[in-house]
Order: sequence, then structure tokens, then C-alpha cells
Amino acid sequence: KAGVTQTPRYLIKTRGQQVTLSCSPISGHRSVSWYQQTPGQGLQFLFEYFSETQRNKGNFPGRFSGRQFSNSRSEMNVSTLELGDSALYLCASSQGQGADQPQHFGDGTRLSIL
Amino acid sequence: DAKTTQPNSMESNEEEPVHLPCNHSTISGTDYIHWYRQLPSQGPEYVIHGLTSNVNNRMASLAIAEDRKSSTLILHRATLRDAAVYYCILRDYSSEYQGGKLIFGQGTELSVKP
Repeated sequence: KAGVTQTPRYLIKTRGQQVTLSCSPISGHRSVSWYQQTPGQGLQFLFEYFSETQRNKGNFPGRFSGRQFSNSRSEMNVSTLELGDSALYLCASSQGQGADQPQHFGDGTRLSIL
Repeated sequence: DAKTTQPNSMESNEEEPVHLPCNHSTISGTDYIHWYRQLPSQGPEYVIHGLTSNVNNRMASLAIAEDRKSSTLILHRATLRDAAVYYCILRDYSSEYQGGKLIFGQGTELSVKP
């Protein structure tokens, strides 16, 4: 069974640009969550999508947005990039919405802002 | 969300058991106890979860104190591949919508010596 796939693995952008990251969940999983990981802040929850609807949102500015398609694949967009957006962006999927559901993570997209 | 406290780092020897502690003195009756780990250059990986009783799976065992204010993740025979950051996370199943949101602390960095 294929795991969570994130593309691209690495990305370099400059300040002011925008970027779109992609996540393909495990087949049959309908929930997709996004996280940002930095050395200073650790792992922080960005948002979650279920059945194409955003169900939960972390404390990030509106420059961070996402969407989910009917096949459960998800994209995350960051506009007007800042140096502080340099981070590892992780996607996780789960079968259901319950608190007992394990989250399955991809290996992330490493975004570097110059 | 109830918080967890873990030691910043621990060391173990290869092929010996490892006991990773987690304190969660403000845990509620509806909180699941989850453990994830993150190996270098990878996304977090689900390890195990439990509610009240001790749990075993192929990766590890979870021992939950009778008052549920603490728990211990047990790796029965540490290998070099077990060197990772281990996160103890509480997830409340009574929340209106828990979904995929995980709140990560700083975790315990486990090093394994050959």
C-alpha cells in the first residue's frame, strides 16, 4: 500500500513569490492535514481538510491556504513568501476523523526562501 | 488541550529495553494517549495509542498509569534505527471535531549506542 506522497521534495523560492505544494494521501483516506516544522517552533498544525472542506485551522496568517479535491488529494499554497516561511512542510492523512485515528505522514517538502 | 511533559533527551544501548516517560497530569477522561516518532529526514511516524489499558503492537508497548497521569512507551530491544525524536500527544475524543489536528511538544530525542 503506497504511503503519503508529497511533491516536490525540495523547493527554492525568493521573497514575494508564491508556492504550491501537493499531497496525495493513502488510498481511501479522506482527511488530509498540513504541518509546518521549523527548528525554532517545532511542528505546528496548519489546517485540515475532509471531504473537500476545511474542518480545522491553526494559527497562521491568511497567506497560508489550501484546498482538497474530490479524490482527496490536497494542495497547500503560500503567497507573498517571507524568509520565515523557510521550513519543512508535512502532510498527513487518516481514514476517519476520530481522535483514535492514527495520522500517516509523508516525508515533507523542504521549502527554502532566499 | 491537555499538555504533556517529556525529558528532552535519553540514551540507550543497542539491544536493551528503553522506557520513555511522559507526564500528563491534566489529562481528561476522554483523552487518548498517542505516541509518534520522527526519524532523521523523515516525517513523523505513528507508533501506538491507548486510552486506559496497556497496549502492545509490533513496534512497542504502551504502559498507562492507573490514574492516567503518566504513561511510558517501551521499546523492548532498541536498535540503531530507533534513534529518533519521540512525541507523546493527547487527543480528546469528546471534542466537537478533533480531526487530524495533532499538537506536538518538543518530544524526547532518543540516541542509541552500539
